[in-house]
Amino acid sequence: DTAVSQTPKYLVTQMGNDKSIKCEQNLGHDTMYWYKQDSKKFLKIMFSYNNKELIINETVPNRFSPKSPDKAHLNLHINSLELGDSAVYFCASMGGYYNSPLHFGNGTRLTVT
Amino acid sequence: DQQVKQNSPSLSVQEGRISILNCDYTNSMFDYFLWYKKYPAEGPTFLISISSIKDKNEDGRFTVFLNKSAKHLSLHIVPSQPGDSAVYFCAARYNNAGNMLTFGGGTRLMVKP
Repeated sequence: DTAVSQTPKYLVTQMGNDKSIKCEQNLGHDTMYWYKQDSKKFLKIMFSYNNKELIINETVPNRFSPKSPDKAHLNLHINSLELGDSAVYFCASMGGYYNSPLHFGNGTRLTVT
Repeated sequence: DQQVKQNSPSLSVQEGRISILNCDYTNSMFDYFLWYKKYPAEGPTFLISISSIKDKNEDGRFTVFLNKSAKHLSLHIVPSQPGDSAVYFCAARYNNAGNMLTFGGGTRLMVKP
């Protein structure tokens, strides 16, 4: 009964390929996020969706496209993968109150070779 | 431009002693602060939070202190236990669209038996 689940946990692929990471939350939250943890271990916001609508789109290349089919799912599609895309990607969700914490998935480690 | 900074990348403490993790921020609009704990190959898990209207919040062995004038917060763990060994992230939020969290770079805490 994992609250926020991501698949796959590990993803190894070659430059130029297109890949997707899936995220699902069973907490009933309206807001979902994608964060990227780079090689320096910083967690940086990429996207935020509220009830299937894009709210935040930080400076992220157009090759990254989030898709939210419903408020429980937020998938991340990455086109034309580059070496610099190698990182750990975390999905998270948040309840409706301002003082609600984010609940994170266990991350997807993407390695581009 | 790091708005949330954790200047100590690592901290080593003896079991039973106090662990003090520090965090500084630059954005005076931040009004809610959280600490997360992260084990390897897992997502960050929420630990404790504090609103800017308070200067202290306590939950069991964990206490967070906020000094708004200094733009500084700290997490105290007393007594420290070997199971507390993890990376601790400080995060901050202000009332923006998406209520995203801005994270510090993390501090690796090692509690020695």
